[in-house]
Amino acid sequence: DAGVIQSPRHEVTEMGQEVTLRCKPISGHDYLFWYRQTMMRGLELLIYFNNNVPIDDSGMPEDRFSAKMPNASFSTLKIQPSEPRDSAVYFCASSRGRQPQHFGDGTRLSIL
Amino acid sequence: KNEVEQSPQNLTAQEGEFITINCSYSVGISALHWLQQHPGGGIVSLFMLSSGKKKHGRLIATINIQEKHSSLHITASHPRDSAVYICAVRGNNDMRFGAGTRLTVKP
Repeated sequence: DAGVIQSPRHEVTEMGQEVTLRCKPISGHDYLFWYRQTMMRGLELLIYFNNNVPIDDSGMPEDRFSAKMPNASFSTLKIQPSEPRDSAVYFCASSRGRQPQHFGDGTRLSIL
Repeated sequence: KNEVEQSPQNLTAQEGEFITINCSYSVGISALHWLQQHPGGGIVSLFMLSSGKKKHGRLIATINIQEKHSSLHITASHPRDSAVYICAVRGNNDMRFGAGTRLTVKP
């Protein structure tokens, strides 16, 4: 059974560019979460979806960040325009109901 | 003061020792998670609990809702247990994370 799949694994881009992170949750899971992890702030919940609908996006840092879930098997997190302070590891996780979450391997993002 | 406090921040143990990591929180929660993050960065959910105690192999997690406190115990620790252990509490619509406890188990 495939786990949560994130792409790309690593992304290096210049400040001002648009960045799109992708996530494929585990089939059958109805919750999807986006997290960010930095040395300074640790893990933070950015946004989560239930049945493809965003439930809480209060963790999204600012308007430069947006997330979509067009269907049950795909979600994107977009940063436009990107800034150096957005450099972090971004994790996607999914769960069935309120069961333990399964995490993807993360996308390590570096904004130069 | 952080809403989720973990202790200790760092812990070094000898193989075979019994280990306890603590988590205290100050907000109302619907569930508490213990996560394990290995040096490679991958995160694994170890436990999700809202009351009582859960056990999985050598790992035991307990929670006291009245005292707003949870503990993660590792029995017969092994070098492969070396990782960062993160406590996370889930409210109605959000999650708050502890800063993590870095565990090193020496052979």
